[in-house]
Amino acid sequence: GDSVTQMEGPVTLSEEAFLTINCTYTATGYPSLFWYVQYPGEGLQLLLKATKADDKGSNKGFEATYRKETTSFHLEKGSVQVSDSAVYFCALSDSGNTPLVFGKGTRLSVIA
Amino acid sequence: EAQVTQNPRYLITVTGKKLTVTCSQNMNHEYMSWYRQDPGLGLRQIYYSMNVEVTDKGDVPEGYKVSRKEKRNFPLILESPSPNQTSLYFCASRRQTGNNEKLFFGSGTQLSVL
Repeated sequence: GDSVTQMEGPVTLSEEAFLTINCTYTATGYPSLFWYVQYPGEGLQLLLKATKADDKGSNKGFEATYRKETTSFHLEKGSVQVSDSAVYFCALSDSGNTPLVFGKGTRLSVIA
Repeated sequence: EAQVTQNPRYLITVTGKKLTVTCSQNMNHEYMSWYRQDPGLGLRQIYYSMNVEVTDKGDVPEGYKVSRKEKRNFPLILESPSPNQTSLYFCASRRQTGNNEKLFFGSGTQLSVL
């Protein structure tokens, strides 16, 4: 079945450091790929998405590129801020009739 | 404002006392789902519903029930809660038009079963 594997955390970075959170997937079809973010005490919200190979999703300085050849969707940000401290989830959707599949989440802490 | 509303936000109960967590969405979404979030285990799906009167088991359905009598509501029922159901619960919904639709999440319900 479909699955998502993301790097385990926690990840602790200093402000303005470069961030990469790795995500790889296994899917039978041609999935859409997502990154969701969960800020402390809140529900998840969509950060960015990509729907086909070589698409780049971007939002709030975060980027991720859909790499079909490596089945990856790594999340990157050039300069993190304290306000980026959150849990990040990679997810895929293989079709409109199947539930999203989530990775286990990666906790990011950014210190000033 | 488009939103998923779940209540209560916090709930403390005792083993065996039936409870219901409500979930309502105002976006006319076909798809709704319940997840539980536990440390080290990420999000695990409990039940989901593709539309009214259509529900399916997720990865961890044991000990839970759901119903989808109306499109906007998708309550989660624990008939006889046990301590291993202590968790953070999220309801979510999305349109069912394709595989690129985003999920909208509620703010969560923190349940403690003593």
